[in-house]
Amino acid sequence: EAGVAQSPRYKIIEKRQSVAFWCNPISGHATLYWYQQILGQGPKLLIQFQNNGVVDDSQLPKDRFSAERLKGVDSTLKIQPAKLEDSAVYLCASSSRGGGRYGYTFGSGTRLTVV
Amino acid sequence: KQEVTQIPAALSVPEGENLVLNCSFTDSAIYNLQWFRQDPGKGLTSLLLIQSSQREQTSGRLNASLDKSSGRSTLYIAASQPGDSATYLCAVSGNYGQNFVFGPGTRLSVLP
Repeated sequence: EAGVAQSPRYKIIEKRQSVAFWCNPISGHATLYWYQQILGQGPKLLIQFQNNGVVDDSQLPKDRFSAERLKGVDSTLKIQPAKLEDSAVYLCASSSRGGGRYGYTFGSGTRLTVV
Repeated sequence: KQEVTQIPAALSVPEGENLVLNCSFTDSAIYNLQWFRQDPGKGLTSLLLIQSSQREQTSGRLNASLDKSSGRSTLYIAASQPGDSATYLCAVSGNYGQNFVFGPGTRLSVLP
């Protein structure tokens, strides 16, 4: 089966600019996650979608981050305006069911550098 | 709140050695535990998934064990190779199906 697709692979922007990341999960996976991984740390959950509804966005900085999953398939994560501390790898993962009852499959990630 | 730690933070071994990576979690009420590998600048690749009712899982040269009561898991790598060099992360999910919480990872270097 095709894996989780993410784009772009790399992005360099100046602070206060905006940026968007795209993710296409494994076909048929109802649950989609966006994680932020700062260098040297484990991934931190930003938002979880079940189909096209938000299940958990408690750790999403909503003043600057937004995400949507139209039609319950692919998803976009946006940052506007970006700050230096947003420099990280943004990982998308999908699962056939929600929560942690089933394993996750991750995409290759997008490495964001804010200068 | 679940917290996951991994020891050591970094490990360097000569090729051919057997090695053990450790993962500890504070809340033993977990549903399952997953070990991942992450190569530099890449996403996470799933290695092994252990359900809470299981004690271990094996895949090739990898063996992961789980001791829920003590809040520990180990990843055993036999006959290490330079290609095993990567960061290894463990993640646990809550007993009610809560999402995975990740440890910070162990950075492994296998020297030829």
